[in-house]
Amino acid sequence: DGGITQSPKYLFRKEGQNVTLSCEQNLNHDAMYWYRQDPGQGLRLIYYSQIVNDFQKGDIAEGYSVSREKKESFPLTVTSAQKNPTAFYLCASSGTGGIKKNIQYFGAGTRLSVL
Amino acid sequence: AQSVTQPDIHITVSEGASLELRCNYSYGATPYLFWYVQSPGQGLQLLLKYFSGDTLVQGIKGFEAEFKRSQSSFNLRKPSVHWSDAAEYFCAVGANAGNNRKLIWGLGTSLAVNP
Repeated sequence: DGGITQSPKYLFRKEGQNVTLSCEQNLNHDAMYWYRQDPGQGLRLIYYSQIVNDFQKGDIAEGYSVSREKKESFPLTVTSAQKNPTAFYLCASSGTGGIKKNIQYFGAGTRLSVL
Repeated sequence: AQSVTQPDIHITVSEGASLELRCNYSYGATPYLFWYVQSPGQGLQLLLKYFSGDTLVQGIKGFEAEFKRSQSSFNLRKPSVHWSDAAEYFCAVGANAGNNRKLIWGLGTSLAVNP
């Protein structure tokens, strides 16, 4: 089945530690996105990538980094510079062409907590 | 500035009652419009979308939405709510031009269903 896989489902970070959240898609989508979700704040865009080896900052990129070395993969690293990383992180991807490129499909999310 | 407003943070309805969730947007042209649903601890699932044409669109799970250009609205409706509809609902708008695939999100409406 085609879809978006995020792992792990739960992740704990110690102070000063970098952690990486995985996002893999087998939908052959060009674009991928990372969102942060906090209660009452909706979805906030962290980074997005429209093609391999290219990505752009979203609205809240500080303290995060990404890479896009393969079309299928868009990992997110939460660095020690992100002082309040506790949140639910969602990865999404969007389609290959025409109008459908605007439809975003989501993974099941990773919940990150600080120890 | 482009924006999406969901005026109701929380709504409670009785099972079997009708439902309308409001979404208003501010955008320079006719945007693409989306409704997504999120169950607790899960990713977002696309309920329906509007790109062009018939302003009344049908979605999954018995939901429909109507695009009203004069009111800059895209309200979500369901004639009879089921207990399983309890979830968070998000409205989003996307650019109807160029290669910009970013979505602008509302803050969500939490729906509770009384038995």
